[in-house]
Amino acid sequence: QVQLQESGPRLVKPSQTLSLTCTVSGGSISGFYWSWIRQPPGKGLEWIGYVYYSGSTTYNPSLKRRVTISLDRPKNQFSLNLSSVTAADTALYYCAKGETNSWLDPWGQGTLVTVSS
Amino acid sequence: QSVLTQPPSTSETPGQRVTISCSGSSSNIGSNSVYWYRQLPGTAPKLLIYRNNQRPSGVPDRFSGAKSGTSASLAISGLRSEDEADYFCAAWDDSLSVVVFGGGTKLTVL
Repeated sequence: QVQLQESGPRLVKPSQTLSLTCTVSGGSISGFYWSWIRQPPGKGLEWIGYVYYSGSTTYNPSLKRRVTISLDRPKNQFSLNLSSVTAADTALYYCAKGETNSWLDPWGQGTLVTVSS
Repeated sequence: QSVLTQPPSTSETPGQRVTISCSGSSSNIGSNSVYWYRQLPGTAPKLLIYRNNQRPSGVPDRFSGAKSGTSASLAISGLRSEDEADYFCAAWDDSLSVVVFGGGTKLTVL
């Protein structure tokens, strides 16, 4: 069964770029939507965007100016870059496999990224 | 303020049935499938219901989903203490071009 694992720096300075990678094991990247979702501490879920297996992307318009999501097929990974971060970007970041844009299963365990100097 | 509206909390006693509502609009629930996720304390969300009322394998039939117009609901029967969790609804929004989530409902099993 497919499993996802997020990795990357847990602490990012303001104005810098947050970079996370999601490693997919137990299955291929082909044929699915690979998504990022975040959850500020104690708050609800915010969809960031996805990269389709073809490489096409769709982003949340509220983050579009700062977000890039990309695939690395040979490594069975996909990545999130969020530029010009502020404290408001502090959150648990989850990656997820999507059968469709909203059908997200499974999710990674999540990684807490803190934006602070 | 979430695009999909859920009650912040609900509670019920073990063995009883509880229903969690999710209210949206014509651009999201009214025209797209609804998904439900459960988030146990300290863990990642997990898919509970897909395409309005379908259960993934492994999800017991105590959980059921329904949709009518621009609203959806999740029902849990035979409540157990381990059902204490946050429950989120989600759908694609055609106008905003985003996946929208409800604010989540915290279920307490008394």
